Amino acid sequence: AQSVSQHNHHVILSEAASLELGCNYSYGGTVNLFWYVQYPGQHLQLLLKYFSGDPLVKGIKGFEAEFIKSKFSFNLRKPSVQWSDTAEYFCAVNAPGKSGRRALTFGSGTRLQVQP
Amino acid sequence: EAQVTQNPRYLITVTGKKLTVTCSQNMNHEYMSWYRQDPGLGLRQIYYSMNVEVTDKGDVPEGYKVSRKEKRNFPLILESPSPNQTSLYFCASSSQKNQPQHFGDGTRLSIL
Repeated sequence: AQSVSQHNHHVILSEAASLELGCNYSYGGTVNLFWYVQYPGQHLQLLLKYFSGDPLVKGIKGFEAEFIKSKFSFNLRKPSVQWSDTAEYFCAVNAPGKSGRRALTFGSGTRLQVQP
Repeated sequence: EAQVTQNPRYLITVTGKKLTVTCSQNMNHEYMSWYRQDPGLGLRQIYYSMNVEVTDKGDVPEGYKVSRKEKRNFPLILESPSPNQTSLYFCASSSQKNQPQHFGDGTRLSIL
């Protein structure tokens, strides 16, 4: 069964610092990869996605992510964070789940706190 | 406006009292799904539906039921709620299973 690991549970940064959040998954076959953001009290919103092609994916609000197949990773980056980026970030992978059928599996999330 | 609407947003109830959380989407999406979100565990899929009358279990289906009689609606039913079902629940929909999902605003359930 698929597993998704987000090793950073809580990250605290100052404004203008660079951000990198790690995401690793276990499935060795073809995957679809996503990063979602959840602002305080709100629902999840899509930041970016990777299906195929260029492994460097650009999303909304200046975020990007790099798919490295050999490392089973899909890390999220932003060169300069803002206070408004304070939120929880979830990596998600579409791959065969417990039942053998494809399902979307989420990581446990990383809470980002940006200090002004 | 494209949206996924869940009701209620908040509910406090007691063990064993049947409840239903409704979910409706206006995007004509075929795929709909229910998740629960618990601290440190991320989102876990409860049930999903590929289309009308087609539903299947996710990773944590125990204690839940769903139905998909119409394309736009996908209610989540707790026949006999228990305290371990206290959680934040999200409904989501997408045009296909592997496409990005649109999420509702969430339903916070407290089972006493």
